[in-house]
Amino acid sequence: NAGVTQTPKFQVLKTGQSMTLQCAQDMNHEYMSWYRQDPGMGLRLIHYSVGAGITDQGEVPNGYNVSRSTTEDFPLRLLSAAPSQTSVYFCASSYEGQSFSYEQYFGPGTRLTVT
Amino acid sequence: QQQVKQSPQSLIVQKGGISIINCAYENTAFDYFPWYQQFPGKGPALLIAIRPDVSEKKEGRFTISFNKSAKQFSLHIMDSQPGDSATYFCAARAGGATNKLIFGTGTLLAVQP
Repeated sequence: NAGVTQTPKFQVLKTGQSMTLQCAQDMNHEYMSWYRQDPGMGLRLIHYSVGAGITDQGEVPNGYNVSRSTTEDFPLRLLSAAPSQTSVYFCASSYEGQSFSYEQYFGPGTRLTVT
Repeated sequence: QQQVKQSPQSLIVQKGGISIINCAYENTAFDYFPWYQQFPGKGPALLIAIRPDVSEKKEGRFTISFNKSAKQFSLHIMDSQPGDSATYFCAARAGGATNKLIFGTGTLLAVQP
């Protein structure tokens, strides 16, 4: 099992550019989510999905799009990058609504800088 | 209502000492309270978790104390070691059918040898 994988590890964008952060998991988890981590602000939920074809907004969704066409993949799209989106992005996955295990498994992160 | 407040922001403890990190919440619908540990350059990983019908859970040197009436929970690290130096996040599951987690702002722990 590779667990949760994220690509790229590092990315530098210019303001206004768009890009897609990739996330994949091989644990057959229904629930997947994207967080951003900024100093002093913890992990803030951007978007999440409870299964293929189903997505919803989290705490800070503006400027980001997601889709979930398969159970395994949950890409995050930055539509028009802004310096305020400079952050470390984490993808996570878990079983959905199963009381035996709520544990979320995190990927290694993508460090994004927008200049 | 959806917030989880965490303190302190940073903590320095001597090797062998006890590290204590506190969290508080408002939403009584939260139904699962995990602690995540994050080392530099890595993603967070589950350390220990508790459900609100239990007042304490211990795993090795790590203990969660949970006070339902006060809506507070804390992580205690006994016999703290330099290898415990990391950022710790408390979190709460939003409840209901989805596994959405609300995270605290994190505590940077440094254990001095």
